[in-house]
Amino acid sequence: EVQLVESGGGLVQPGGSLRLSCAASGFTFSSYEMNWVRQAPGKGLEWVSYISSSGSTIYYADSVKGRFTISRDNAKNSLYLQMNSLRAEDTAVYYCARGRDRRAFDIWGQGTMVTVSS
Amino acid sequence: SYVLTQPPSVSVAPGKTARITCGGNNIGSKSVHWYQQKPGQAPVLVIYYDSDRPSGIPERFSGSNSGNTATLTISRVEAGDEADYYCQVWDSSSDHSVVFGGGTKLTVL
Repeated sequence: EVQLVESGGGLVQPGGSLRLSCAASGFTFSSYEMNWVRQAPGKGLEWVSYISSSGSTIYYADSVKGRFTISRDNAKNSLYLQMNSLRAEDTAVYYCARGRDRRAFDIWGQGTMVTVSS
Repeated sequence: SYVLTQPPSVSVAPGKTARITCGGNNIGSKSVHWYQQKPGQAPVLVIYYDSDRPSGIPERFSGSNSGNTATLTISRVEAGDEADYYCQVWDSSSDHSVVFGGGTKLTVL
């Protein structure tokens, strides 16, 4: 079964850091682009970051540029999001999503909740 | 940055046809994808590349894209179609960002 499972969410104070992980199974992870997408409580979807299949190309949304770092380990079938200098507005459910051509996200994880609060 | 505009809500009676629009500047030149999200669940891709359906998505779901408007059409609407729907594009021409519309809540009366 094709599956993505996120982990690493939790409660963190403003200015703190958190590292999210996404474990992939059921497909050849190294062949696919990957993305992080977030959803604040009661709000819509917001794309956060993209990484190519090899990890050589990376893009970020302006809202997280300079604070978040996306990475992947194809040997471990895993995607990561290092989040630093967290703000209250980063509070959201974070989803990892597999990308197809023209950034169609065909597989999503169940999401992990990140709450930034003192 | 590129902006996608969706109506906040659409209501339709069971068995009727629902149309959800997604407006953007010359959106017809881009590939539009659509997602369905039910409460407490992750989004599900229902239409990609304007009008293609992933396996497992009913034929009742269809899409079109021309000019400044893309449209998701759901025929013979069922109670189980009640959900939030989001359109999405990839802005490959500028900063390679991915843009989502604000979402449309589909209510089945």
